[in-house]
Amino acid sequence: NAGVTQTPKFQVLKTGQSMTLQCAQDMNHNSMYWYRQDPGMGLRLIYYSASEGTTDKGEVPNGYNVSRLNKREFSLRLESAAPSQTSVYFCASSPRTGSSNQPQHFGDGTRLSIL
Amino acid sequence: DAKTTQPNSMESNEEEPVHLPCNHSTISGTDYIHWYRQLPSQGPEYVIHGLTSNVNNRMASLAIAEDRKSSTLILHRATLRDAAVYYCILKNSGGSNYKLTFGKGTLLTVNP
Repeated sequence: NAGVTQTPKFQVLKTGQSMTLQCAQDMNHNSMYWYRQDPGMGLRLIYYSASEGTTDKGEVPNGYNVSRLNKREFSLRLESAAPSQTSVYFCASSPRTGSSNQPQHFGDGTRLSIL
Repeated sequence: DAKTTQPNSMESNEEEPVHLPCNHSTISGTDYIHWYRQLPSQGPEYVIHGLTSNVNNRMASLAIAEDRKSSTLILHRATLRDAAVYYCILKNSGGSNYKLTFGKGTLLTVNP
């Protein structure tokens, strides 16, 4: 029962480096999400993908790009990492976006530090 | 999404029931009440959700007040593994229904 798998689990980058965070789900869900979690801030939505082939901005999209590679995979890219992007990143999926009755399933996160 | 209010922290003893309260006085008629929890160093985990009636599943029970302005998550027998931050979230069927808005939640400590 893999659910939502994120790689890598930990990463340290230098300012200005680029990196792609990978996320895959095996539940045949249509919708996928990227959140970041900072101390005292709760989770904030970066980008989401309602279905394969579509992506939309969330609350804090600046400095990030995403790709919905196929139904299973949704990646998050930092083109030029900044210390303010040090955070824990969570990927989530749900059967579809437009329902208040469906839960989201989360991965275990990627802990990213930018020096 | 409408706002929820939860205590910052609660403490329980192992094998005792735990009642985690949540106030949501501005809830709308189409808002579902969702509960998630986050164990240390893990992602949030869905626990339970409901609309009007009380709900039970293998993890917990959800008791919803008749006026829907408050709800209570009930863990029937707390274990050490239940120590986590518990989030009460309202999710509506319109507008920004694609996202979950996490507040600060309730940090539950379970004593052996």
